[in-house]
Amino acid sequence: QVHLVQSGPEVKKLGASVKVSCAASGYNFTDYSIAWVRQAPGLGLEWMGWISTSTGNTKYAQKIQGRVTMTTDTSTKTAYIEMRNLRSDDTAVYYCARVDDYFNYYDPWGQGSQVTVSS
Amino acid sequence: SYVLTQSPSVSVAPGQTATIVCGGDNIGSKSVHWYQQKPGQAPVLVVYEDSDRPPGVPERFSGTNSGDSATLSISRVEAGDEADYYCQVWATGSDFFGGGTKLTVL
Repeated sequence: QVHLVQSGPEVKKLGASVKVSCAASGYNFTDYSIAWVRQAPGLGLEWMGWISTSTGNTKYAQKIQGRVTMTTDTSTKTAYIEMRNLRSDDTAVYYCARVDDYFNYYDPWGQGSQVTVSS
Repeated sequence: SYVLTQSPSVSVAPGQTATIVCGGDNIGSKSVHWYQQKPGQAPVLVVYEDSDRPPGVPERFSGTNSGDSATLSISRVEAGDEADYYCQVWATGSDFFGGGTKLTVL
């Protein structure tokens, strides 16, 4: 069974950095890209970008370009997203999801990681 | 950028059909995927490639896509279908989500 398990909640100060992990199991990790999506409190889904687990190529949303880095560790089947220079509007639940590279849908999703940015 | 427009809310009585619309410029030329999100849970794929269902998703969930609108229909609505529903499209090299529609079962 395919599973994505994410790291626990984080509380960070304004201007700090945070790194969230997403551990995959139940499939060949390098056969699918991993996408990251976040959801601010009470709001909708916001696409952040994706990373090819086979090549390491990335595509980031323009809004966060320059503050985000997505990486993978194929030896541990884990994807990471690092956000730098955190702002209050980065407070959100961060989700990873496996990407079907042909149809480009997301399935399954991780359980989500709460990131709270405080002053 | 590519804008996807969804009505904020839809209400339907149990047993009736719910229709959730996702509007976008010439969206009929793109592949649309739909996700269900219940409170406190991660999104779950319910329809992909406009009208296909993943294993385990009831046949009550169906989708169409043409022109400037894609539609997710849920027939014989049940209380357990109450959730937020999001459309997703790949366009101009990026992924986009609609703003979401809250389905309320009366």
